[in-house]
Amino acid sequence: AIQMTQSPSSLSASVGDRVTITCRASQGIRDDLGWYQQKPGKAPKVLIYAASSLQSGVPSRFSGSGSGTDFTLTISSLQPEDFATYYCLQDYTYPPTFGQGTKLEIK
Amino acid sequence: EVQLVESGGGLVQPGGSLRLSCAASGFTFSSHWMHWVRQAPGKGLVWVSRINNDGSYTDYADSVKGRFTISRDNAKNTLYLQMNSLRADDTAVYYCARLGVAARVGGVDCWGQGTLVTVSS
Repeated sequence: AIQMTQSPSSLSASVGDRVTITCRASQGIRDDLGWYQQKPGKAPKVLIYAASSLQSGVPSRFSGSGSGTDFTLTISSLQPEDFATYYCLQDYTYPPTFGQGTKLEIK
Repeated sequence: EVQLVESGGGLVQPGGSLRLSCAASGFTFSSHWMHWVRQAPGKGLVWVSRINNDGSYTDYADSVKGRFTISRDNAKNTLYLQMNSLRADDTAVYYCARLGVAARVGGVDCWGQGTLVTVSS
């Protein structure tokens, strides 16, 4: 199975900060990767699909990049509602695998 | 509106069984592969199982292989997960999902609200 190594596992930041979260795949996955945001007690919500495509309705401060093995989720200017846990998911090959998650907390 | 609604979770003793259901609406259910994903309390997301659009093909995570069975009834727009020989480490919120991160169009990815399964004596 492809391993997805997500970093950092936790991050403290302030409103207005620019934040970057990375996922590295143990082998190439083209751009078959997405990013999710999850708030406590809620289902994950997709932000980015196909590595860099913004899901409709998601604010443009979220962006994704990368292809092959290295991927990045960037939040350009943190808003209070962005404090949550973020996961990457590869669906290039069976089984689909998630990163371990990044908990984004308020500094 | 695309919607997935899970049901069937609850408290079950170790070794017991439970069947989860996921009712789909707002899209052509029979056209899509469907998945179950779980999340243990305080932990990350883990893929559990998938089924192709007509139910003829299934896959499972090693941790549930031989104990869980995924199925679907396209006439009822419903996905199922039959869970047997349950263990304490199966305790989790179970989500049904239509995964779409590899899609080339948006709006594919969709998750239910989750149903909690607790395995305890």
